[in-house]
Amino acid sequence: GAVVSQHPSWVICKSGTSVKIECRSLDFQATTMFWYRQFPKQSLMLMATSNEGSKATYEQGVEKDKFLINHASLTLSTLTVTSAHPEDSSFYICSAAATGGLETQYFGPGTRLLVL
Amino acid sequence: GENVEQHPSTLSVQEGDSAVIKCTYSDSASNYFPWYKQELGKRPQLIIDIRSNVGEKKDQRIAVTLNKTAKHFSLHITETQPEDSAVYFCAARSGGSYIPTFGRGTSLIVHP
Repeated sequence: GAVVSQHPSWVICKSGTSVKIECRSLDFQATTMFWYRQFPKQSLMLMATSNEGSKATYEQGVEKDKFLINHASLTLSTLTVTSAHPEDSSFYICSAAATGGLETQYFGPGTRLLVL
Repeated sequence: GENVEQHPSTLSVQEGDSAVIKCTYSDSASNYFPWYKQELGKRPQLIIDIRSNVGEKKDQRIAVTLNKTAKHFSLHITETQPEDSAVYFCAARSGGSYIPTFGRGTSLIVHP
């Protein structure tokens, strides 16, 4: 299957700092990438959908100025958590869908963020 | 929008038994139904999917059935093994949309 990588896998930061998470599709071109947040023992909560070269579409309740998403190429999307606070601590997972159709999503391994 | 309900939230079985997880969806335009397995702290992995023009699909010990009229679909795992223990998510995606709606997940525990 298609491979999606995510970096870093773990990050611990101080409150007030910004954290950038990268999501890469390694062996396919991804027109669309998705960013999810997952709290312990809960489902995947879609935060935003990003299409290469255009602005991300955020889900209701997700602050676009706090969670900055950039999808500059067909293989890379980044999520920046700005001025992180302890309540932003969570498991962030990206997924990517191939170009050219309504293809299956493939998930990255996730990034566990802990804000102190 | 689409609403996906998943049951049960927790399922405990003995090794060798079968496990069934059920999902219902609300949007009759949904036409793609993937199932994901997520082990603790890891990424969701696609295990099987079905499209609306098919009623059943099987892959070794895993099968998925779809009833479009009733708008429900189910995951069947036969001869369960301890390594099947994980959280399973169903999802439904409408035609023309990239965005699937996920169920809340089912924690499957297979006791040796």
